[in-house]
Amino acid sequence: AQKVTQAQTEISVVEKEDVTLDCVYETRDTTYYLFWYKQPPSGELVFLIRRNSFDEQNEISGRYSWNFQKSTSSFNFTITASQVVDSAVYFCALSEGGYSTLTFGKGTMLLVSP
Amino acid sequence: GAVVSQHPSRVICKSGTSVKIECRSLDFQATTMFWYRQFPKKSLMLMATSNEGSKATYEQGVEKDKFLINHASLTLSTLTVTSAHPEDSSFYICSAAGGARGPEGAGELFFGEGSRLTVL
Repeated sequence: AQKVTQAQTEISVVEKEDVTLDCVYETRDTTYYLFWYKQPPSGELVFLIRRNSFDEQNEISGRYSWNFQKSTSSFNFTITASQVVDSAVYFCALSEGGYSTLTFGKGTMLLVSP
Repeated sequence: GAVVSQHPSRVICKSGTSVKIECRSLDFQATTMFWYRQFPKKSLMLMATSNEGSKATYEQGVEKDKFLINHASLTLSTLTVTSAHPEDSSFYICSAAGGARGPEGAGELFFGEGSRLTVL
């Protein structure tokens, strides 16, 4: 069975600090996809990234970066120079085989204060 | 890009009534859509997989007669919460797979904006 663990329930930082959100996953499949979504207070899910299991390259997109390490089954997400607008709940998710159904972690609430 | 739209975004109803939530893929055809439920400050849990032209596949513990899913066309799936009770109050989100397939053979997965149901 697949499982996603986001051990950090809530993180509070001050603006401009860097913050890393942890994600650890479990799966028996060799082919799988990992996702990060942002859920602001309005509720909609905002897609951030999708990574397949064969691509371990780290990715950087603006202030966002992701560190995928199969050896530790982790897919951590770092926000550099955090901003108040980054405040949201962030979900890590896993899909085995295809990416149709997602198993979500419990989410990490990030609070960025001015 | 592809968009999935849900309606209504918010609904308040009396206990015992039924509520229908629509999920539409606006610019692509989705043979499969997914319905998730999210309790306050909780994660999203898959409720069911909606297949166009056939019966939905429900996850363990989800009552089929309580949560009726219909996927009558390639762009529309509906979730009807029948005889709603306060414990059914939740945030319901649909998703659909569609769009051009990437090199891995997987396409894109899009989520609707969500529908917040409050049962009084």
